[in-house]
Amino acid sequence: DAGVIQSPRHEVTEMGQEVTLRCKPISGHDYLFWYRQTMMRGLELLIYFNNNVPIDDSGMPEDRFSAKMPNASFSTLKIQPSEPRDSAVYFCASTPSGGARNEQFFGPGTRLTVL
Amino acid sequence: KNQVEQSPQSLIILEGKNCTLQCNYTVSPFSNLRWYKQDTGRGPVSLTIMTFSENTKSNGRYTATLDADTKQSSLHITASQLSDSASYICVVKAGATNKLIFGTGTLLAVQP
Repeated sequence: DAGVIQSPRHEVTEMGQEVTLRCKPISGHDYLFWYRQTMMRGLELLIYFNNNVPIDDSGMPEDRFSAKMPNASFSTLKIQPSEPRDSAVYFCASTPSGGARNEQFFGPGTRLTVL
Repeated sequence: KNQVEQSPQSLIILEGKNCTLQCNYTVSPFSNLRWYKQDTGRGPVSLTIMTFSENTKSNGRYTATLDADTKQSSLHITASQLSDSASYICVVKAGATNKLIFGTGTLLAVQP
């Protein structure tokens, strides 16, 4: 298995532009998570899906952020318009359903820089 | 408020030496505690997962302990190697949800 796949790996954009981050979870995993990592705040959960349905989006910082999961093998995180404070590494993770011990498998991340 | 605190923030040790990283948490209700290793430029990878009833879990040279009464955990690395240089993140799962609460990590540098 290729693991969780994220694209792009690096994104540099200018303030005000729309940014779309993409994630392909591990096949058969029912849960998908989007995280943001910064030096100051560490890893923070933004939103997670179960069977393509958003379950908890309380970590989404504001209306500029939106996430979708149109099918079991694809999810996007969109920022519109982007701001310099959005600069961070964004991780996608997936886990199979059933049981509290289920490990979350993380993708390699997308490093976003907003100028 | 659910929180996970780690110490030290950073640590430098010589290759071959042992070290211990600390984690204190205030998460309720507690489900399990995980230690992740994150290499530079990569996503976190799970080292150990412990539930309330487990107080020790080993994964090779990594040994994690959990004291659910004092809400403390430690990660002990034995005979460190250069490849152990990474950030080590303590993560607590709260209750029946799938939400994980992350510490800010300990950055370990192993020098030759």
